Amino acid sequence: QKEVEQDPGPLSVPEGAIVSLNCTYSNSAFQYFMWYRQYSRKGPELLMYTYSSGNKEDGRFTAQVDKSSKYISLFIRDSQPSDSATYLCAMKGNSGYSTLTFGKGTMLLVSP
Amino acid sequence: GAVVSQHPSWVICKSGTSVKIECRSLDFQATTMFWYRQFPKQSLMLMATSNEGSKATYEQGVEKDKFLINHASLTLSTLTVTSAHPEDSSFYICSANSEWQGSRETQYFGPGTRLLVL
Repeated sequence: QKEVEQDPGPLSVPEGAIVSLNCTYSNSAFQYFMWYRQYSRKGPELLMYTYSSGNKEDGRFTAQVDKSSKYISLFIRDSQPSDSATYLCAMKGNSGYSTLTFGKGTMLLVSP
Repeated sequence: GAVVSQHPSWVICKSGTSVKIECRSLDFQATTMFWYRQFPKQSLMLMATSNEGSKATYEQGVEKDKFLINHASLTLSTLTVTSAHPEDSSFYICSANSEWQGSRETQYFGPGTRLLVL
């Protein structure tokens, strides 16, 4: 079993839809959880960053972490064509500069 | 804030030549920088962790003599692909932790360098 599992998609939705992106993980030591957005041929851009369990909202984006289930989610409300990209989840343990473990990324396509 | 740049953005070279890629943190000091490689439709693969003033820590399976990393200052790390071969063609991305942002846990990524070895 891989440490982080993420459905590669593609996930196709119409403009305005609510998008749900998810990752599961197996390492209970993970404490920090991030979502990155990566446009084609570009570097990843940090979208959301949460520590431990709970919800965090930023504009149209909401990140949820359920450590008991080892499951994290990113919700995008009122999706736009410009949201079309690959979304990568990433996580790390609680030890300073320890490395990130990434999911494979989910490709999202929002059609106008 | 927390902007990371890379140069060049793309490079084409002949097999057997060496290529140097620069990674700079523009508005913060990065004690630690990371180098990743990404193949098409694949996720990021960590190659090495680079700490300023010390030797890089390479991930298993990454040849340190082939991928030379130098982190001479708090704002600059370089990756040199020595004697590049076509199988080294990939998208190379660096990232850095941002002390300036008050968070040591997140990484901010550069725009990537696309390498094509003929």
